[in-house]
Amino acid sequence: DTGVSQNPRHKITKRGQNVTFRCDPISEHNRLYWYRQTLGQGPEFLTYFQNEAQLEKSRLLSDRFSAERPKGSFSTLEIQRTEQGDSAMYLCASRRLELDEQYFGPGTRLTVT
Amino acid sequence: AQSVTQPDIHITVSEGASLELRCNYSYGATPYLFWYVQSPGQGLQLLLKYFSGDTLVQGIKGFEAEFKRSQSSFNLRKPSVHWSDAAEYFCAVGRDTGFQKLVFGTGTRLLVSP
Repeated sequence: DTGVSQNPRHKITKRGQNVTFRCDPISEHNRLYWYRQTLGQGPEFLTYFQNEAQLEKSRLLSDRFSAERPKGSFSTLEIQRTEQGDSAMYLCASRRLELDEQYFGPGTRLTVT
Repeated sequence: AQSVTQPDIHITVSEGASLELRCNYSYGATPYLFWYVQSPGQGLQLLLKYFSGDTLVQGIKGFEAEFKRSQSSFNLRKPSVHWSDAAEYFCAVGRDTGFQKLVFGTGTRLLVSP
């Protein structure tokens, strides 16, 4: 396993711009999660995919946020019309089986100026 | 609703001393409990997990945790702390094994003094 990878690692954008992050899970992991972590807080659940199906979305995921996993492999998280409150670390995690742990990627740190 | 409380924001421990990080959870059913560690610039790494069975679980890096249902606690312990253990520690509870949305506490930052 090469681990969960996320790109980019850092993103600085101006308010109002759109950004897209990518997550590549560990191969054969059919479950994929997105979390958001703000300074001084623990990660908060955003959304969950099993294969290509998005099965749950948090209320934190406003209409400006959209996540996809088109072929059940990598996933993208897009934020439209970014706001300063979107500044956070966006974490992706994946796992294979029900009793497995979630393996986390290094995260994408977003700064909205 | 699930929730996790980590009452200590910061803890400073001398190198070689013992460590206990507190975690209390709120969940109506059988909890699935986890401890993760996060070092600067790194992702979260699982230290240990509790699903069922023996209430004392062993993890990596010499950590252990004890599940106490009567106290709704899952405290993390290590008998002798190393300088490399300085990091942020998160306790989390999972809703079930199938979906396993994790709810995290706010974390405890561990500082290790020489």
